[in-house]
Amino acid sequence: AQKVTQAQTEISVVEKEDVTLDCVYETRDTTYYLFWYKQPPSGELVFLIRRNSFDEQNEISGRYSWNFQKSTSSFNFTITASQVVDSAVYFCAGKYILTGGGNKLTFGTGTQLKVEL
Amino acid sequence: SQTIHQWPATLVQPVGSPLSLECTVEGTSNPNLYWYRQAAGRGLQLLFYSVGIGQISSEVPQNLSASRPQDRQFILSSKKLLLSDSGFYLCAWSVPGIYNEQFFGPGTRLTVL
Repeated sequence: AQKVTQAQTEISVVEKEDVTLDCVYETRDTTYYLFWYKQPPSGELVFLIRRNSFDEQNEISGRYSWNFQKSTSSFNFTITASQVVDSAVYFCAGKYILTGGGNKLTFGTGTQLKVEL
Repeated sequence: SQTIHQWPATLVQPVGSPLSLECTVEGTSNPNLYWYRQAAGRGLQLLFYSVGIGQISSEVPQNLSASRPQDRQFILSSKKLLLSDSGFYLCAWSVPGIYNEQFFGPGTRLTVL
């Protein structure tokens, strides 16, 4: 079974600060796929980034970057120069295949990020 | 580009009443479709998924059912709502394949009184 742990329940930062959201993904699968989603107050889940277990490089996309450490099963997500519009709940999720051909996202419990002026 | 629609956006229903939530996807063919529920406390739980018309798989036993009458239409139903059915219901789609991310609709907030 897969397990996704987001130990941080809530984080508050001041605008322009960098912030890192932690995620630990536990699985026995050797190949797996990890995602970060953002849920603003409107409720819609917005896909942010994807990471595959076999990717070698950590990446940066605009103000977002992620650090995947296979040895510690951590998949941390960093927002650089945070903005008020970044305030939302952020979910880490892992994916595995279901019998019948579909696939399932296992979500962490989310981290509420508050960015204040 | 692909878009996903859900309606209604909000719904207040009495206990024991029926339910029908609809989800449609545009701009893609033969998507995988999913229904999730997000209860208070933020956890998301997969309820149903479908890899094709008429093919429905249930993840957890419950008071709900799902149907896929058309390729890009996914319906969540109940004959008699329970108080515990209250929550935020999210529909999602993905291109078939483990690699691909799921894209979520705007959600339906259901309150059962």
